[in-house]
Amino acid sequence: QLHLQESGPGLVKPSETLSLTCTVSGGSISSSSYNWAWIRQPPGKGLEWIGSIFYSGSTYCNPSLKSRLTISVDTSKNQFSLKLSSVTAADTAVYYCARLNNFLDYWGQGTLVTVSS
Amino acid sequence: QSVLTQPPSVSGAPGQRVTISCTGSSSNIGAAYDVHWYQQFPGTAPKLLIYGNNNRPSGVPDRFSGSKSGTSASLAITGLQAEDEADYYCQSYDSSLSAWVFGGGTKLTVL
Repeated sequence: QLHLQESGPGLVKPSETLSLTCTVSGGSISSSSYNWAWIRQPPGKGLEWIGSIFYSGSTYCNPSLKSRLTISVDTSKNQFSLKLSSVTAADTAVYYCARLNNFLDYWGQGTLVTVSS
Repeated sequence: QSVLTQPPSVSGAPGQRVTISCTGSSSNIGAAYDVHWYQQFPGTAPKLLIYGNNNRPSGVPDRFSGSKSGTSASLAITGLQAEDEADYYCQSYDSSLSAWVFGGGTKLTVL
């Protein structure tokens, strides 16, 4: 059974960079069939796709976040990561990682990141 | 403003049938991209409920079904149960945005 787990700081200061890592267990991130995605959900609001990455390193980013977003993969650690720069309070959200096969079939439990000084 | 439009809330009594609509456009649902549905309980991650318009993952009761027509899709829940009370989201791909997109979510209340 595939398991995904997000990790990273729960508090980030405005204008700084938000960094999160998703560790995948129970399966290889190098599978040629899937992309690996980041999704976020502001408190009390809906879901927003942030971006996704293929094991080869090809990335797909939400156009509204693209200028601030870096997604990378480390196949040796079975991990993929998210960096979002110049954060503001609007970036406060629960961040989820998930496996993407056009649909999102496996999700991490999510981690709340608060942007505040 | 979400690319896919869902009603903010729906409700029904136990045993009834409810439907949740998801309206898109010619660049997403109308462009033949599949629609997928997720169920989310408070404080938990979303769970895949329907994929590829009308397919249920293993373990999802057949009370849940999906359909798609033109630029819209629907999730139907029959034999409504108290445990179905949750938020439901539709998701598809938008070729104009080159992005995967979600509906704004619908809160289902079981009366």
